[in-house]
Amino acid sequence: EVQLVQSGAEVKKPGESLKISCKGSGYSFTTYWIGWVRQMPGKGLEWMGIIYPGDSDSRYSPSFQGQVTFSADKSISTAYLQWSSLKASDTAMYYCARLISSSSPMDVWGKGTTVTVSS
Amino acid sequence: DIQMTQSPSTLSASVGDRVTITCRASQSIRSWLAWYQQKPGKAPKLLIYKASSLESGVPSRFSGSGSETEFTLTISSLQPDDFGTYYCQQYYSYFALTFGGGTKVEI
Repeated sequence: EVQLVQSGAEVKKPGESLKISCKGSGYSFTTYWIGWVRQMPGKGLEWMGIIYPGDSDSRYSPSFQGQVTFSADKSISTAYLQWSSLKASDTAMYYCARLISSSSPMDVWGKGTTVTVSS
Repeated sequence: DIQMTQSPSTLSASVGDRVTITCRASQSIRSWLAWYQQKPGKAPKLLIYKASSLESGVPSRFSGSGSETEFTLTISSLQPDDFGTYYCQQYYSYFALTFGGGTKVEI
């Protein structure tokens, strides 16, 4: 079964760093892209960007460029989304999803990781 | 960036109704459009890709149409399980995919 398993909920303080994960299984992890999507409480879906785990080529939405970092460890079929200094406005659900190319629909989704940033 | 605009933002309908949701792109995206369904507390689920192709396992009451800048998602006979929020997404722009604002369907 093809699946993406995301890490558990996080509660952090402003200024702290964080790295959440997305582990793929049941398919060739290095030949698909992984996209990241933010959903703030009660709001819609926002495209953050994508990473190709095969070579870690990453592309960011202008809204998220410089705010987050994508990475991947292909040896363990895992992609990561990282913040160096969290803000309260980063409080949201974060989804990873699989894409067959850099311009394709997102056909398999993780269940999401809730990030709460509060002092 | 290509902007995607959905209407209506909320829709109330009864079981058995035919429901149509519209998505407009700010420029031509040919047929590079997907539709997703999201239920509360759950991840989105792909329903339709390439404007009108049904994803495997999705009930045939869902259909998509349109091209260039105007697209529609139709549910031919609304079922109780169809409540949730529906999003369109363009994937015409490499590396810059964008979602519509969503349409909440209330039964």
